[in-house]
Amino acid sequence: KAGVTQTPRYLIKTRGQQVTLSCSPISGHRSVSWYQQTPGQGLQFLFEYFSETQRNKGNFPGRFSGRQFSNSRSEMNVSTLELGDSALYLCASSLGDRGGDAFFGQGTRLTVV
Amino acid sequence: GQQLNQSPQSMFIQEGEDVSMNCTSSSIFNTWLWYKQEPGEGPVLLIALYKAGELTSNGRLTAQFGITRKDSFLNISASIPSDVGIYFCAGQAFNYGGSQGNLIFGKGTKLSVKP
Repeated sequence: KAGVTQTPRYLIKTRGQQVTLSCSPISGHRSVSWYQQTPGQGLQFLFEYFSETQRNKGNFPGRFSGRQFSNSRSEMNVSTLELGDSALYLCASSLGDRGGDAFFGQGTRLTVV
Repeated sequence: GQQLNQSPQSMFIQEGEDVSMNCTSSSIFNTWLWYKQEPGEGPVLLIALYKAGELTSNGRLTAQFGITRKDSFLNISASIPSDVGIYFCAGQAFNYGGSQGNLIFGKGTKLSVKP
């Protein structure tokens, strides 16, 4: 069974640009969550999508957005990039039911210059 | 955002020693998860706990869900060099509507093992 796949693995963008990251969950999983990981703040929750609807949202500005498609694949978008957006962005997939274990992808390393 | 208190922050141990780390929270969780992360990789799920008092093992790893539902610990017995990495605890509570909430993570315990 294939794991969670995130693309691309690495990205370098310039301040002010926008970026789209992609996540393909484990087959059969309907929930995809996105996390930002930085050395200072650790792992911070961005948002969760379940059956194409945003179900939970963290405390990030509106520049961070996401969506989920009917095949459960998800994308997250960051507009007007800032230097502080440099981080490892991780997505996790789960069945979405109570107690469904969350499995992470390898992440996308975003560097904003 | 909300985070768990995970300790210790780092550990330097000799191969063969046992390791213990824990997480505490001011909030009650319904699920506790333990992950390991190696450089350049995403966190890998080690153990999941669903009931207060539950004790679960995965090879040399043992984790427990605290009775108060506000804490959890992870033990690694007879450590080996490949245990090196950062270990994260994560708690999960249900939302008011009954759906699963997001994971709240500890800051991690960095484990170094001397051969």
